[in-house]
Amino acid sequence: QQQVKQSPQSLIVQKGGISIINCAYENTAFDYFPWYQQFPGKGPALLIAIRPDVSEKKEGRFTISFNKSAKQFSLHIMDSQPGDSATYFCAASNNYGQNFVFGPGTRLSVLP
Amino acid sequence: DTGVSQDPRHKITKRGQNVTFRCDPISEHNRLYWYRQTLGQGPEFLTYFQNEAQLEKSRLLSDRFSAERPKGSFSTLEIQRTEQGDSAMYLCASSPWGEHVLTFGAGSRLTVL
Repeated sequence: QQQVKQSPQSLIVQKGGISIINCAYENTAFDYFPWYQQFPGKGPALLIAIRPDVSEKKEGRFTISFNKSAKQFSLHIMDSQPGDSATYFCAASNNYGQNFVFGPGTRLSVLP
Repeated sequence: DTGVSQDPRHKITKRGQNVTFRCDPISEHNRLYWYRQTLGQGPEFLTYFQNEAQLEKSRLLSDRFSAERPKGSFSTLEIQRTEQGDSAMYLCASSPWGEHVLTFGAGSRLTVL
């Protein structure tokens, strides 16, 4: 119940295309769903996050879509750029952030 | 403030040796987390401190692992009698009270030969 599933494992997109990464969870107590971006040799960095009281959140080229009934959420990267090439992790937490559970990650490659 | 600092960045050790990692969180953050990340996987929760109190430990944290945060500032993670399976990136993160945002350090990579 503590797992967060993530797909695809890897993704190759042309520059300017849309990258879509999907996640699913089981624990209905989760109340915060962030996405983290990690470059090689660096720690993960918060990209964007959403709470279950909204169905979509947009920040620049990045959008989270959230489906509470299906217990699924996704990250959309519009106009993907080579600089977006990184590993993306979805995560979920509850209890005011006492424990974060991360998905296994998606390695995104954006071709120039 | 330069963010979350971790030291050392890389550690190579022989099986059976003890290793210690240090984490300096963002100064005003009272929550501190340790995660472990293996190649191709997401971070796995190890333990969590609120100020100096260790409030939660994962079952992943065997008896060979111990973490401290003696004055509610920096933290150390010690692994005794290292095994090859301990080879991983050990990530530290901090957050302010009441907020979900984790700020990660760059990690300490452990290689056990």
